[in-house]
Amino acid sequence: DVKVTQSSRYLVKRTGEKVFLECVQDMDHENMFWYRQDPGLGLRLIYFSYDVKMKEKGDIPEGYSVSREKKERFSLILESASTNQTSMYLCASSLTTGGSTLYEQYFGPGTRLTVT
Amino acid sequence: EDQVTQSPEALRLQEGESSSLNCSYTVSGLRGLFWYRQDPGKGPEFLFTLYSAGEEKEKERLKATLTKKESFLHITAPKPEDSATYLCAVHPADRGSTLGRLYFGRGTQLTVWP
Repeated sequence: DVKVTQSSRYLVKRTGEKVFLECVQDMDHENMFWYRQDPGLGLRLIYFSYDVKMKEKGDIPEGYSVSREKKERFSLILESASTNQTSMYLCASSLTTGGSTLYEQYFGPGTRLTVT
Repeated sequence: EDQVTQSPEALRLQEGESSSLNCSYTVSGLRGLFWYRQDPGKGPEFLFTLYSAGEEKEKERLKATLTKKESFLHITAPKPEDSATYLCAVHPADRGSTLGRLYFGRGTQLTVWP
Protein backbone atom coordinates (compact mmCIF):
# COMPACT_ATOMS: atom_id res chain seq x y z
CA ASP A 1 0.00 0.00 0.00
CA VAL A 2 1.08 3.55 -0.72
CA LYS A 3 1.89 5.48 2.37
CA VAL A 4 2.13 9.25 2.60
CA THR A 5 3.07 10.67 5.97
CA GLN A 6 3.06 14.23 7.22
CA SER A 7 5.24 15.47 10.04
CA SER A 8 2.49 16.80 12.28
CA ARG A 9 -1.25 16.29 12.66
CA TYR A 10 -1.74 19.54 14.56
CA LEU A 11 0.46 22.60 14.66
CA VAL A 12 0.05 25.98 16.36
CA LYS A 13 2.33 28.84 15.31
CA ARG A 14 2.51 32.55 15.90
CA THR A 15 2.18 35.25 13.27
CA GLY A 16 5.51 35.93 11.60
CA GLU A 17 7.08 32.57 12.38
CA LYS A 18 8.69 30.48 9.65
CA VAL A 19 6.84 27.18 9.40
CA PHE A 20 7.99 23.92 7.84
CA LEU A 21 5.55 21.17 6.87
CA GLU A 22 7.16 17.90 5.85
CA CYS A 23 5.75 15.15 3.66
CA VAL A 24 7.28 11.75 2.92
CA GLN A 25 6.05 9.04 0.54
CA ASP A 26 7.35 5.50 0.36
CA MET A 27 6.32 4.41 -3.16
CA ASP A 28 8.94 6.07 -5.34
CA HIS A 29 6.37 8.43 -6.85
CA GLU A 30 7.62 11.13 -9.18
CA ASN A 31 4.90 13.68 -8.44
CA MET A 32 4.18 15.33 -5.12
CA PHE A 33 1.62 18.00 -4.26
CA TRP A 34 0.69 20.42 -1.51
CA TYR A 35 -2.93 21.52 -1.07
CA ARG A 36 -4.79 23.52 1.48
CA GLN A 37 -8.42 22.78 2.27
CA ASP A 38 -10.84 25.31 3.72
CA PRO A 39 -14.61 24.98 4.32
CA GLY A 40 -16.56 26.00 1.25
CA LEU A 41 -13.43 26.39 -0.90
CA GLY A 42 -12.47 22.78 -1.45
CA LEU A 43 -8.94 21.63 -2.20
CA ARG A 44 -6.67 24.32 -3.58
CA LEU A 45 -3.28 23.50 -5.06
CA ILE A 46 -0.37 25.48 -3.62
CA TYR A 47 2.67 23.91 -5.31
CA PHE A 48 3.61 20.65 -6.92
CA SER A 49 6.77 18.89 -8.00
CA TYR A 50 7.24 16.38 -10.82
CA ASP A 51 10.88 15.54 -10.09
CA VAL A 52 13.64 16.21 -7.60
CA LYS A 53 14.46 19.92 -7.44
CA MET A 54 11.63 20.67 -9.89
CA LYS A 55 8.56 22.61 -8.84
CA GLU A 56 5.59 24.39 -10.32
CA LYS A 57 3.22 26.91 -8.82
CA GLY A 58 -0.35 25.91 -8.27
CA ASP A 59 -3.29 28.25 -7.90
CA ILE A 60 -2.36 29.91 -4.60
CA PRO A 61 1.46 29.98 -4.19
CA GLU A 62 1.69 33.43 -2.57
CA GLY A 63 3.23 33.28 0.89
CA TYR A 64 4.53 29.74 0.39
CA SER A 65 7.65 28.06 -0.95
CA VAL A 66 8.63 24.43 -1.37
CA SER A 67 11.69 22.25 -1.38
CA ARG A 68 12.30 18.83 -2.89
CA GLU A 69 15.87 17.68 -2.36
CA LYS A 70 15.03 13.96 -2.36
CA LYS A 71 12.45 12.06 -4.37
CA GLU A 72 10.52 10.85 -1.33
CA ARG A 73 10.34 14.16 0.55
CA PHE A 74 8.48 17.36 -0.26
CA SER A 75 8.48 20.29 2.14
CA LEU A 76 6.12 23.24 2.31
CA ILE A 77 7.48 26.42 3.86
CA LEU A 78 5.50 29.35 5.14
CA GLU A 79 8.09 32.11 5.11
CA SER A 80 6.21 34.36 7.56
CA ALA A 81 3.03 32.79 8.85
CA SER A 82 -0.13 34.86 8.85
CA THR A 83 -3.55 34.20 10.34
CA ASN A 84 -5.08 33.72 6.88
CA GLN A 85 -2.83 30.67 6.46
CA THR A 86 -4.73 28.86 9.19
CA SER A 87 -5.99 25.80 7.35
CA MET A 88 -5.78 22.06 6.78
CA TYR A 89 -2.72 21.24 4.68
CA LEU A 90 -2.70 18.06 2.64
CA CYS A 91 0.19 16.42 0.86
CA ALA A 92 -0.29 13.93 -1.98
CA SER A 93 1.83 11.89 -4.36
CA SER A 94 1.29 10.10 -7.67
CA LEU A 95 3.04 8.09 -10.36
CA THR A 96 3.69 9.55 -13.79
CA THR A 97 3.59 6.32 -15.71
CA GLY A 98 2.67 2.72 -15.36
CA GLY A 99 -0.20 0.34 -14.94
CA SER A 100 -3.81 1.07 -14.28
CA THR A 101 -3.12 3.52 -11.47
CA LEU A 102 -1.88 6.26 -13.71
CA TYR A 103 -2.04 9.71 -12.13
CA GLU A 104 -4.19 8.88 -9.12
CA GLN A 105 -3.05 10.81 -6.09
CA TYR A 106 -2.59 9.35 -2.64
CA PHE A 107 -3.01 11.69 0.28
CA GLY A 108 -1.44 12.00 3.68
CA PRO A 109 -3.50 12.45 6.86
CA GLY A 110 -3.22 16.23 6.80
CA THR A 111 -1.79 18.88 9.12
CA ARG A 112 -4.20 21.21 10.85
CA LEU A 113 -2.24 24.46 11.15
CA THR A 114 -3.43 27.29 13.37
CA VAL A 115 -1.66 30.65 13.20
CA THR A 116 -2.40 32.98 16.11
CA GLU B 1 -14.07 29.07 -13.88
CA ASP B 2 -14.69 25.71 -12.24
CA GLN B 3 -13.83 22.79 -14.44
CA VAL B 4 -15.35 20.23 -12.10
CA THR B 5 -18.77 20.73 -10.54
CA GLN B 6 -20.28 18.36 -8.02
CA SER B 7 -23.92 18.17 -7.04
CA PRO B 8 -25.63 18.23 -4.73
CA GLU B 9 -23.42 20.00 -2.20
CA ALA B 10 -25.01 18.00 0.59
CA LEU B 11 -27.23 14.94 0.63
CA ARG B 12 -29.04 13.31 3.50
CA LEU B 13 -30.27 9.75 3.05
CA GLN B 14 -31.99 7.30 5.27
CA GLU B 15 -30.20 4.01 5.69
CA GLY B 16 -31.08 1.80 2.72
CA GLU B 17 -32.20 4.70 0.52
CA SER B 18 -30.19 4.49 -2.72
CA SER B 19 -29.12 7.62 -4.57
CA SER B 20 -26.50 9.11 -6.89
CA LEU B 21 -23.92 11.86 -6.68
CA ASN B 22 -23.02 13.80 -9.80
CA CYS B 23 -19.70 15.13 -11.08
CA SER B 24 -19.75 17.15 -14.30
CA TYR B 25 -16.61 18.41 -16.00
CA THR B 26 -15.80 20.85 -18.79
CA VAL B 27 -12.26 19.88 -19.82
CA SER B 28 -11.89 19.21 -23.52
CA GLY B 29 -9.98 15.96 -23.17
CA LEU B 30 -9.91 13.53 -20.27
CA ARG B 31 -7.03 11.30 -19.22
CA GLY B 32 -8.83 10.12 -16.12
CA LEU B 33 -11.58 10.85 -13.61
CA PHE B 34 -11.07 9.99 -9.96
CA TRP B 35 -13.40 9.55 -6.99
CA TYR B 36 -12.27 9.99 -3.40
CA ARG B 37 -13.88 9.61 0.00
CA GLN B 38 -12.92 12.01 2.80
CA ASP B 39 -13.82 11.59 6.45
CA PRO B 40 -13.80 14.65 8.73
CA GLY B 41 -10.30 15.73 9.73
CA LYS B 42 -8.61 13.17 7.46
CA GLY B 43 -7.00 13.11 4.04
CA PRO B 44 -8.99 11.95 1.00
CA GLU B 45 -8.96 8.23 0.36
CA PHE B 46 -8.79 7.03 -3.24
CA LEU B 47 -11.80 5.00 -4.46
CA PHE B 48 -11.89 4.70 -8.27
CA THR B 49 -10.30 5.77 -11.53
CA LEU B 50 -12.37 5.90 -14.73
CA TYR B 51 -10.70 6.44 -18.09
CA SER B 52 -13.31 6.30 -20.83
CA ALA B 53 -17.01 6.84 -21.41
CA GLY B 54 -19.05 3.76 -20.60
CA GLU B 55 -16.61 2.49 -18.00
CA GLU B 56 -17.93 1.37 -14.61
CA LYS B 57 -16.17 0.48 -11.36
CA GLU B 58 -17.68 -1.04 -8.21
CA LYS B 59 -16.65 -1.31 -4.59
CA GLU B 60 -19.06 -2.65 -2.00
CA ARG B 61 -22.14 -0.37 -2.12
CA LEU B 62 -20.51 2.14 -4.49
CA LYS B 63 -20.55 2.14 -8.26
CA ALA B 64 -18.95 4.82 -10.40
CA THR B 65 -19.91 5.42 -14.02
CA LEU B 66 -18.56 7.77 -16.67
CA THR B 67 -20.05 9.53 -19.69
CA LYS B 68 -18.41 12.10 -21.97
CA LYS B 69 -19.37 15.01 -19.73
CA GLU B 70 -20.11 13.61 -16.29
CA SER B 71 -19.67 10.85 -13.80
CA PHE B 72 -22.06 9.40 -11.28
CA LEU B 73 -21.33 7.74 -7.98
CA HIS B 74 -24.23 5.46 -7.22
CA ILE B 75 -24.73 4.41 -3.62
CA THR B 76 -26.90 1.35 -3.17
CA ALA B 77 -28.57 0.70 0.20
CA PRO B 78 -26.23 3.04 2.06
CA LYS B 79 -25.27 2.57 5.70
CA PRO B 80 -24.34 5.22 8.28
CA GLU B 81 -20.66 4.33 7.82
CA ASP B 82 -20.91 5.59 4.23
CA SER B 83 -21.31 9.10 5.63
CA ALA B 84 -18.41 11.20 4.31
CA THR B 85 -17.55 13.85 1.76
CA TYR B 86 -17.08 12.42 -1.73
CA LEU B 87 -14.69 14.27 -4.02
CA CYS B 88 -14.35 14.03 -7.76
CA ALA B 89 -11.23 15.03 -9.70
CA VAL B 90 -10.20 15.09 -13.36
CA HIS B 91 -6.88 14.86 -15.16
CA PRO B 92 -7.21 16.87 -18.37
CA ALA B 93 -5.45 15.75 -21.51
CA ASP B 94 -4.60 19.26 -22.68
CA ARG B 95 -2.16 20.37 -19.97
CA GLY B 96 1.19 19.05 -21.09
CA SER B 97 3.26 21.17 -18.73
CA THR B 98 1.28 20.19 -15.64
CA LEU B 99 1.67 16.46 -15.84
CA GLY B 100 -0.01 14.74 -12.97
CA ARG B 101 -2.03 17.70 -11.80
CA LEU B 102 -5.67 16.94 -10.94
CA TYR B 103 -8.58 19.40 -10.75
CA PHE B 104 -10.92 18.74 -7.87
CA GLY B 105 -14.57 19.51 -7.34
CA ARG B 106 -15.75 20.89 -4.01
CA GLY B 107 -17.35 17.63 -2.97
CA THR B 108 -20.70 16.26 -1.88
CA GLN B 109 -21.21 15.85 1.84
CA LEU B 110 -23.23 12.66 2.35
CA THR B 111 -25.01 11.91 5.61
CA VAL B 112 -26.74 8.57 6.08
CA TRP B 113 -28.95 8.35 9.13
CA PRO B 114 -30.26 5.14 10.70
